[in-house]
Amino acid sequence: GENVEQHPSTLSVQEGDSAVIKCTYSDSASNYFPWYKQELGKRPQLIIDIRSNVGEKKDQRIAVTLNKTAKHFSLHITETQPEDSAVYFCAAPFTYSSASKIIFGSGTRLSIRP
Amino acid sequence: KAGVTQTPRYLIKTRGQQVTLSCSPISGHRSVSWYQQTPGQGLQFLFEYFSETQRNKGNFPGRFSGRQFSNSRSEMNVSTLELGDSALYLCASSLNGPEQYFGPGTRLTVT
Repeated sequence: GENVEQHPSTLSVQEGDSAVIKCTYSDSASNYFPWYKQELGKRPQLIIDIRSNVGEKKDQRIAVTLNKTAKHFSLHITETQPEDSAVYFCAAPFTYSSASKIIFGSGTRLSIRP
Repeated sequence: KAGVTQTPRYLIKTRGQQVTLSCSPISGHRSVSWYQQTPGQGLQFLFEYFSETQRNKGNFPGRFSGRQFSNSRSEMNVSTLELGDSALYLCASSLNGPEQYFGPGTRLTVT
């Protein structure tokens, strides 16, 4: 069925340390994997995405890795800062290369300890 | 370009009433998707419209419906409101691919 599992549900890290959030998906045809950041009271913002033809993508302190064989992908945040505190959602589509049905993970609440 | 806008931002209704929410996508975007966000259930897909046609639908009862106009603006309607419909309703637009951009949401409270 259509399922995206996300772990952990909460994560607390010391400022400056790294944070890793993992997601697994069920549809082997999924080919696009975005990550969204939602700060308190704000809309989800697309922060990074990866397509199935690459295994890793980086953008400054954030990176996403994809393992299509195992059907999982991860978000890595290095040198965490207070402004990284937010809820992070992964997602995967369940129709080919369209926005028809994006299924979201349940979210990870990331807290950065000073 | 202006971002995705949603109106109203806040709404209070009583059980049994109906409500209509509006979403204006980014200029040029033809796809609009709707989501319900609750603390317990996360982001749940409601439906997606493209060029005035519903392309896909989530697992919500028939009380939830939507439509899209020729200018790509979209509305969703919830009839016979229940307490459990209290949530943040988000719409997201895309050009015609999987990259979605969210609006600020409409916070619906049903009393």
